[in-house]
Amino acid sequence: AQSVAQPEDQVNVAEGNPLTVKCTYSVSGNPYLFWYVQYPNRGLQFLLKYITGDNLVKGSYGFEAEFNKSQTSFHLKKPSALVSDSALYFCAVRDLFSGGYNKLIFGAGTRLAVHP
Amino acid sequence: SQTIHQWPATLVQPVGSPLSLECTVEGTSNPNLYWYRQAAGRGLQLLFYSVGIGQISSEVPQNLSASRPQDRQFILSSKKLLLSDSGFYLCAWSVPKGLVSYEQYFGPGTRLTVT
Repeated sequence: AQSVAQPEDQVNVAEGNPLTVKCTYSVSGNPYLFWYVQYPNRGLQFLLKYITGDNLVKGSYGFEAEFNKSQTSFHLKKPSALVSDSALYFCAVRDLFSGGYNKLIFGAGTRLAVHP
Repeated sequence: SQTIHQWPATLVQPVGSPLSLECTVEGTSNPNLYWYRQAAGRGLQLLFYSVGIGQISSEVPQNLSASRPQDRQFILSSKKLLLSDSGFYLCAWSVPKGLVSYEQYFGPGTRLTVT
């Protein structure tokens, strides 16, 4: 079965420090991976995706993610955290059996808290 | 550019009352459309998806239904709400099959409280 796991319920980091939000996946073929961010009472915002190519993917708001096939991971990173980065982050993988409707399988979410 | 709208933004309804949530997408044609529910500010549950007008697939059996009367309009309904229907409802769209872009784009959501 295809799945994605976010092992940390919450991540705490001090402003200015680097941040990492972890994601691991399990798929039967080549994964299509995504990161989304959700601010309180808002919809999810697309941050970045990995489809193919360079393992380091750059996205919105200074975020990047590194695809690691051997470790089946797709961790979200940012060199210097801002208080405004505090939000709920979701990792997702495309369901390879979803045909044309692009079903995404979401992780449970990781709450990022950046302290001043 | 594409935009997605949902309304209402918030809704408080008594148990047993009907429900109608609306989602519209602008700036694209023949999108795939999705309804999700998010409970307790966490995980997303896919409720329905649609690949075209009148084509609805259900992921989870429940007392909700969906319809797609127009290409860019997606409606979530219920005849009689239950307390367990409370949650944050999100609509999303993605490009149709054949186009190389797999991400989904989400609307602002509707907060439903059933009392």
